[in-house]
Amino acid sequence: AQTVTQSQPEMSVQEAETVTLSCTYDTSESDYYLFWYKQPPSRQMILVIRQEAYKQQNATENRFSVNFQKAAKSFSLKISDSQLGDAAMYFCAYLRKAAGNKLTFGGGTRVLVKP
Amino acid sequence: NAGVTQTPKFQVLKTGQSMTLQCAQDMNHNSMYWYRQDPGMGLRLIYYSASEGTTDKGEVPNGYNVSRLNKREFSLRLESAAPSQTSVYFCASSGGGLLNEQFFGPGTRLTVL
Repeated sequence: AQTVTQSQPEMSVQEAETVTLSCTYDTSESDYYLFWYKQPPSRQMILVIRQEAYKQQNATENRFSVNFQKAAKSFSLKISDSQLGDAAMYFCAYLRKAAGNKLTFGGGTRVLVKP
Repeated sequence: NAGVTQTPKFQVLKTGQSMTLQCAQDMNHNSMYWYRQDPGMGLRLIYYSASEGTTDKGEVPNGYNVSRLNKREFSLRLESAAPSQTSVYFCASSGGGLLNEQFFGPGTRLTVL
């Protein structure tokens, strides 16, 4: 079974600064997807960024970028120019490309943004 | 276009009571999922339905049943609620394909006393 580990329960960042969230995963598969989801206090799960394992290029979405290290099974999220609206829980998730396309989530990292 | 909707938003049950959580999507997705989120934890998969007419167990299926009523609707039933089932429940759907993104509903906060 796949496991996803987020070792940082909470991270604090100053507004306009950069913060990096860590994620490691365990799998024997070679073809899969990785995701970062944001969950603000509203509880809504919002997709931030996705990475396909067969793509070597790191994904970028505006101020959000990832560092995907396939051999190390590491998938970190960098938030640049942090804004107050970035304060939320962030979940790393792994999706196995097989029947059902099931997601496995990490335990989450709470991001606090200081004005 | 409502996306994924869930009812109810909040529910309080007594131990032993039963209830059904409803989920519907209007994106013509084949796959639907039920997750639970306990305090301070990530989401865990309860059941999923890869396509209309099929359902399969996820990581934590005990104490739950599901029905894929049609392509749009996927319900989760608690036959005899227990305090350990106090959680926030999320429904999600996915069209698969190259993006494989799952779209989530707003969640149902369930408390079992």
